[in-house]
Amino acid sequence: DAKTTQPNSMESNEEEPVHLPCNHSTISGTDYIHWYRQLPSQGPEYVIHGLTSNVNNRMASLAIAEDRKSSTLILHRATLRDAAVYYCILRDDSNDYKLSFGAGTTVTVRA
Amino acid sequence: DTEVTQTPKHLVMGMTNKKSLKCEQHMGHRAMYWYKQKAKKPPELMFVYSYEKLSINESVPSRFSPECPNSSLLNLHLHALQPEDSALYLCASSQGWRGNSYGYTFGSGTRLTVV
Repeated sequence: DAKTTQPNSMESNEEEPVHLPCNHSTISGTDYIHWYRQLPSQGPEYVIHGLTSNVNNRMASLAIAEDRKSSTLILHRATLRDAAVYYCILRDDSNDYKLSFGAGTTVTVRA
Repeated sequence: DTEVTQTPKHLVMGMTNKKSLKCEQHMGHRAMYWYKQKAKKPPELMFVYSYEKLSINESVPSRFSPECPNSSLLNLHLHALQPEDSALYLCASSQGWRGNSYGYTFGSGTRLTVV
């Protein structure tokens, strides 16, 4: 499995944007970039995913570098409810159904 | 219905007990998963079922026995567990079609304590 590298932790102020980086220099052409988050005492929650183009949804935006070796999850206005562990995951749909989690980034939001 | 429902939410069992965890979804997803998560660690994949057939077993000890009776239901049978098996057990589902990528939907988990 191709690996991802994320910072261990990030802090943000409420109502400010949060940019979460993810490096995946060994990404293959069939790897999708997935982001999940896990709030305390809950199961992981799907946030967004993309292949080559930038993606937007109601929760966040995903910016993918042109060479696909890195990506950034953008939370446009952080709220206290966004405090969670955010996981950047590469998933190869050509082979199997594996979704393998790395260590993730713990996001703290200050009121 | 856009949820994965796991029961029970909490379970305490002795090392000689037999118990089962249950997972249910009604989204028409054809792939279902069991994950194990220890405290302060990321989830670890245990099993994958695709179209009710076991497609991935991540070298999980035989004291964990998965079962997929139908496309909506996934069970995890537990027998002779050890205290180190205490963890949060998460179930997830996805569309299950290769060649395209879909998000996974996770349940809230069963918090298992082995005494």
